[in-house]
Amino acid sequence: EVQMVESGGTSVQPGGSLRLFCKTTGFNFGEYAMHWVRHAPGRGLEWVAGLNWNGGRLSYADSVKGRFTISRNNDNSSLFLQMNNLKTEDTALYFCAKDVASPYVNWGAIDPRGQGTLVIVS
Amino acid sequence: QSVLTQPPSASGTPGQKVTIPCSGSDSNLGRNSVQWYQYFPGAAPRLLIYLTYQRPPGVPDRFSGSKSGTSSSLIISGLRSEDEADYFCAAWDDSLTAAVFGGGTRLTVL
Repeated sequence: EVQMVESGGTSVQPGGSLRLFCKTTGFNFGEYAMHWVRHAPGRGLEWVAGLNWNGGRLSYADSVKGRFTISRNNDNSSLFLQMNNLKTEDTALYFCAKDVASPYVNWGAIDPRGQGTLVIVS
Repeated sequence: QSVLTQPPSASGTPGQKVTIPCSGSDSNLGRNSVQWYQYFPGAAPRLLIYLTYQRPPGVPDRFSGSKSGTSSSLIISGLRSEDEADYFCAAWDDSLTAAVFGGGTRLTVL
């Protein structure tokens, strides 16, 4: 069974930094593109960032470009999101997600499986 | 303003068929597959439809997807009370080189 456990979310002041973690099990992590998706209070779902199976083709939403960095470690099936210069509008529940079947980020068939980690910027 | 456009709300009665539309452009829906999600705030988004027409294991066949040009729809047949939720469409956008979501449609089962 595919499982994803996000962690690292907490309360932080504007301008601060956080690093989110996603530990995955139940699938061959190194074969799939991975993504982060978030849901802010009172707003819809928003794609944040994604990368290819090999850590290439780093892609970001305009709202986080230059501030967030996505990365992965295929050896221990983990995904990361380094968040710098945080803004109040980054307050959200952050979800880790795998592509359904592709190693490439631009397939866009995003499948979130974790329960999310809450980031509060205030 | 979301790149993909959805109506903010939709409704239906139990047993009815409901269609939730999603409108985009050539750079997203016109060229790439569409995904649909069911979302209860605070929980993980549930992937209902991927690659425009495919259902993941465990998703009832009451849920189906369609696409024509730069528009797509989620069709829910035999509506049930537990279908009351928020629904989002999503696709990759080649011009933005980013995944984009619709603004979401809140479905009410009357």
